[in-house]
Amino acid sequence: DTAVSQTPKYLVTQMGNDKSIKCEQNLGHDTMYWYKQDSKKFLKIMFSYNNKELIINETVPNRFSPKSPDKAHLNLHINSLELGDSAVYFCASSHVGLAGTGELFFGEGSRLTVL
Amino acid sequence: AQTVTQSQPEMSVQEAETVTLSCTYDTSESDYYLFWYKQPPSRQMILVIRQEAYKQQNATENRFSVNFQKAAKSFSLKISDSQLGDAAMYFCAYTYPRYSGGGADGLTFGKGTHLIIQP
Repeated sequence: DTAVSQTPKYLVTQMGNDKSIKCEQNLGHDTMYWYKQDSKKFLKIMFSYNNKELIINETVPNRFSPKSPDKAHLNLHINSLELGDSAVYFCASSHVGLAGTGELFFGEGSRLTVL
Repeated sequence: AQTVTQSQPEMSVQEAETVTLSCTYDTSESDYYLFWYKQPPSRQMILVIRQEAYKQQNATENRFSVNFQKAAKSFSLKISDSQLGDAAMYFCAYTYPRYSGGGADGLTFGKGTHLIIQP
């Protein structure tokens, strides 16, 4: 049973297209995240959701829109894809609050290539 | 703002030897958590070890141990008896968990150290 699963694992598309990456966690966590890992392997947070509420929205272009239909799902939709969007996108989840330690559980990543 | 610095972009070690990866961080908080994550070529992010700032004792997990120097804001990872499977990117990370609910800051990562194991 995969704890945090992302689909698709690989995505190749043309500039200007719109694409979505889906994420689901079965850990019962109340917080989910999207991280972007660039070509230099640097990981940077994009968004976080706590109980379906947007908590963190870093300086990400408006073309990126997260959607959390419920606590177990956090999807990422990207409009008008650009070459610079090529990266690996990681979904993660954690439990915050008194019982939380801040440890993140990551999905396997989705490699997006924009041509 | 919290920052995490890993000053070694790449390290190389002979199999069975010991290697230490460096990490420093900057924070004004007194209670926080520090982590080392490993990312092998498979891309999966794997937690190696975790340290709570309020604990003076250094965390250990089998061949992995940390040297946590709170005053110096230093958090190095020591890998003993290095194995070929240890080859990976290693990321140091920091978080300050909010206890009042609604906090979801996630982790702040360093830029990573690429560890090469020489057979």
